[in-house]
Amino acid sequence: RKEVEQDPGPFNVPEGATVAFNCTYSNSASQSFFWYRQDCRKEPKLLMSVYSSGNEDGRFTAQLNRASQYISLLIRDSKLSDSATYLCVVNPSGGSYIPTFGRGTSLIVHP
Amino acid sequence: ETGVTQSPTHLIKTRGQQVTLRCSSQSGHNTVSWYQQALGQGPQFIFQYYREEENGRGNFPPRFSGLQFPNYSSELNVNALELDDSALYLCASSSGGDRVYGELFFGEGSRLTVL
Repeated sequence: RKEVEQDPGPFNVPEGATVAFNCTYSNSASQSFFWYRQDCRKEPKLLMSVYSSGNEDGRFTAQLNRASQYISLLIRDSKLSDSATYLCVVNPSGGSYIPTFGRGTSLIVHP
Repeated sequence: ETGVTQSPTHLIKTRGQQVTLRCSSQSGHNTVSWYQQALGQGPQFIFQYYREEENGRGNFPPRFSGLQFPNYSSELNVNALELDDSALYLCASSSGGDRVYGELFFGEGSRLTVL
C-alpha cells in the first residue's frame, strides 16, 4: 500500500459545482497534513494546512479523520481558475519527517 | 514568488551523461529537499539536506547525489543518465531542519529530458 493515495481523476465539473477530494495515508502516527495546488507545468504551492478540528479558507474546507486515516478537501462554488492538480501531503513520524506527496488529483472546471 | 531559484530551467541530455542541477533556497531557510516529478505523478522525494548534511533519502540509486553549501544553496547530481530520469526536478526549501512540519517553498523546477 502506498504511503499516500489519491484518486488521480480527472474530476470534470461545471462552474459553481461543489467537488470533494479524498486522500488516504498509511502511517497512523503521521503528524501533519497539507493540501498543495499545482498548476500545469508549474511548481506546487501550499493551498492550506489540515488541522484536526477541520479548517476553512473561503470556498475551501479541509478535514482530517485520524480514525480512518484520510484527509479531504472540499471546494464550493468552483471557479475556472480552480482548475489544477491538488496534491495531498503527509508528514510521517517515527524517525522520518520527510513530507510525502500523493500523486495528485486533477480538477477541470468548465464553463 | 517563493524566493527559491533553480537552474537551469530546461535541459536536454543523452543517456550515460551526467547532470548538475542547482538551487538557491529562500532567505532564512536551512533545509533543502529535492523531488523528482514524472509526468502525471506526484513529487517523489529524493533526499534532504540540513546544515550541509544529508538527513533523509528516498528510494533513489546512488547515482543520485547532492550537496548543500554553507549558504544553504544546494546541488543535485545525477550520473549515468537513463531515459527514465526524464522529469521535473523540484527543489524545496524550508526552515524545519530535520523535522519539516511546515510549508515547503518550491522553486519552478528544472525540466530534464534524457534522449
